[in-house]
Amino acid sequence: QKEVEQDPGPLSVPEGAIVSLNCTYSNSAFQYFMWYRQYSRKGPELLMYTYSSGNKEDGRFTAQVDKSSKYISLFIRDSQPSDSATYLCAMSQGSNYQLIWGAGTKLIIKP
Amino acid sequence: DGGITQSPKYLFRKEGQNVTLSCEQNLNHDAMYWYRQDPGQGLRLIYYSQIVNDFQKGDIAEGYSVSREKKESFPLTVTSAQKNPTAFYLCASSPGQTETQYFGPGTRLLVL
Repeated sequence: QKEVEQDPGPLSVPEGAIVSLNCTYSNSAFQYFMWYRQYSRKGPELLMYTYSSGNKEDGRFTAQVDKSSKYISLFIRDSQPSDSATYLCAMSQGSNYQLIWGAGTKLIIKP
Repeated sequence: DGGITQSPKYLFRKEGQNVTLSCEQNLNHDAMYWYRQDPGQGLRLIYYSQIVNDFQKGDIAEGYSVSREKKESFPLTVTSAQKNPTAFYLCASSPGQTETQYFGPGTRLLVL
């Protein structure tokens, strides 16, 4: 079993829909949770960063961490075709530990 | 502009040849990383360096080598011992004592 599980998709939704992307993990020591967006043939870019449990909002994006369920989510409101990309989750126990990555979910927003 | 640059964008390797991928950053970050990405898979760590003149193996270091002679530079050599080198290679850096990493644009390595 992988430490971090992420459905590879593709997930296809119409423009304007609310998108929910998720990762589950097995290591209860993870404290730092990140979402990266990667466009085709480009490097990943940091989208959201969350420490411990709770929600964090940035514009149309909301990151949610549920440590009791070992489950993290990224919500995208009013989705746009430009949101079409692969979304990678990553998590860590702390600064002296490496990031552990999900495989990424490919998201397609249809105009 | 501050950022991470990788070159070349595409690289072709012949059988038995060593090739070197360049990674430079002007963010004044202490730590630098090399990842390999294969289709449908997450990022796999090859090597990382937290300080100049020091580096550690990641999960898939076999067939690769690195150096860290300057803070700004962390080149990766793909040696002939790496039998399946075709992949997308990503370099990243992070400030000290932080978990967030910032990525370059990547180098796609293909075998002739």
